Amino acid sequence: DAGVIQSPRHEVTEMGQEVTLRCKPISGHNSLFWYRQTMMRGLELLIYFNNNVPIDDSGMPEDRFSAKMPNASFSTLKIQPSEPRDSAVYFCASSRDHYEQYFGPGTRLTVT
Amino acid sequence: QKEVEQNSGPLSVPEGAIASLNCTYSDRVSQSFFWYRQYSGKSPELIMSIYSNGDKEDGRFTAQLNKASQYVSLLIRDSQPSDSATYLCAVKREAGTALIFGKGTTLSVSS
Repeated sequence: DAGVIQSPRHEVTEMGQEVTLRCKPISGHNSLFWYRQTMMRGLELLIYFNNNVPIDDSGMPEDRFSAKMPNASFSTLKIQPSEPRDSAVYFCASSRDHYEQYFGPGTRLTVT
Repeated sequence: QKEVEQNSGPLSVPEGAIASLNCTYSDRVSQSFFWYRQYSGKSPELIMSIYSNGDKEDGRFTAQLNKASQYVSLLIRDSQPSDSATYLCAVKREAGTALIFGKGTTLSVSS
């Protein structure tokens, strides 16, 4: 069974550019989570969806960040415009009915 | 007060010893507790979940939960160098809410 799939694995972009991160959850999972991890702040929840509906987006840093889940098998996290302080590893995770979460490999974002 | 607290370490133990990792949480209504292992440059990997007071064993790992003391721990028996990683404690308040992670404890097992 395939795990959570994220793309791209690495992204290097210049300040001001738009960045789109993609996630495919594990088939059959109905909850999807976006996290950001930095050395300073650890693992932070940005937003999570249940049955494709955003439930809690209180962790989204500001209006430059947006997330969508158009169907059960795909989600995007967009940053527009990107800033150097957005540099981090972004993880997507999924779960079935709010139980154990399984993480994807992450996207390492560097904004110069 | 941080919601989920862990000693950042590093915790250093010799090969074959028992490693004890601890976690405290602030919200008394928390219901579900998880331990994740994260190797450097990799994603968190779920290794244990525990939902009720007491011990839960899985191979060399034992999770212990004490809700009265708001404390959860992970014991690793017969520690191996391959256990060297950061261990993240995560807590869920109730169904429909997201996990809250501690910042992790770095474990180093020397051969």
